[in-house]
Amino acid sequence: EIVMTQSPATLSVSPGERATLSCRASQSVSSNLAWHQQKPGQAPRLLIYGASTRATGIPARFSGSGSGTEFTLTISSLQSEDFAVYYCQQYDNWPQTFGQGTKVEIK
Amino acid sequence: QLQLQESGPGLVKPSETLSLTCTVSGGSISSSYYYWGWIRQPPGKGLEWIGSIYYSGTTYHNPSLKSRVTISVDTSKNQFSLKLNSVTAADTAVYYCARLHSGSYPWVDNWGQGTLVTVSS
Repeated sequence: EIVMTQSPATLSVSPGERATLSCRASQSVSSNLAWHQQKPGQAPRLLIYGASTRATGIPARFSGSGSGTEFTLTISSLQSEDFAVYYCQQYDNWPQTFGQGTKVEIK
Repeated sequence: QLQLQESGPGLVKPSETLSLTCTVSGGSISSSYYYWGWIRQPPGKGLEWIGSIYYSGTTYHNPSLKSRVTISVDTSKNQFSLKLNSVTAADTAVYYCARLHSGSYPWVDNWGQGTLVTVSS
């Protein structure tokens, strides 16, 4: 199965600052990559699919980039509601696999 | 608006079978545009894909769970179900049902709220 590796494990950011999260696949997944946000006690929520397409209702401050094995999620100006855990997920091959998550916390 | 709601026992004994149902509202499970799936998250850990099903009955299961998984669909009730047999403490997790946008490469576009299942005697 494809192993997804996220870095860093924890990112400390001040409100209003930019956050950059990385995700690496153990083999190419083309652009078949999604990002999900999970807040404590809640289900994950889809943010990005196709590596760079925002899901319905997702603010423009969230952007995704990359293809092949290297991907990035950027949050341009962190809002209080953005502090959460972010997971990347490949859906190029079965079983679909997730990264271990990056926790974005308040600095 | 689409809603996915998991239901089933919150406590299962070791070696028994975990059974969960996901009820879909605000959309048809028979739509050709979607797959339906199960994902789990052990306490404090990351997400693991369990399996998925199309309305026609075509399924995919994670090989790591070997032959313990059965996923089925009931179009008359707009529900799909998960059965995981011979459970152990390692199967304790929050179980999520999800909708996948179909195509050559289906992606998860909606999640249920999740239900915690504890395996303990």
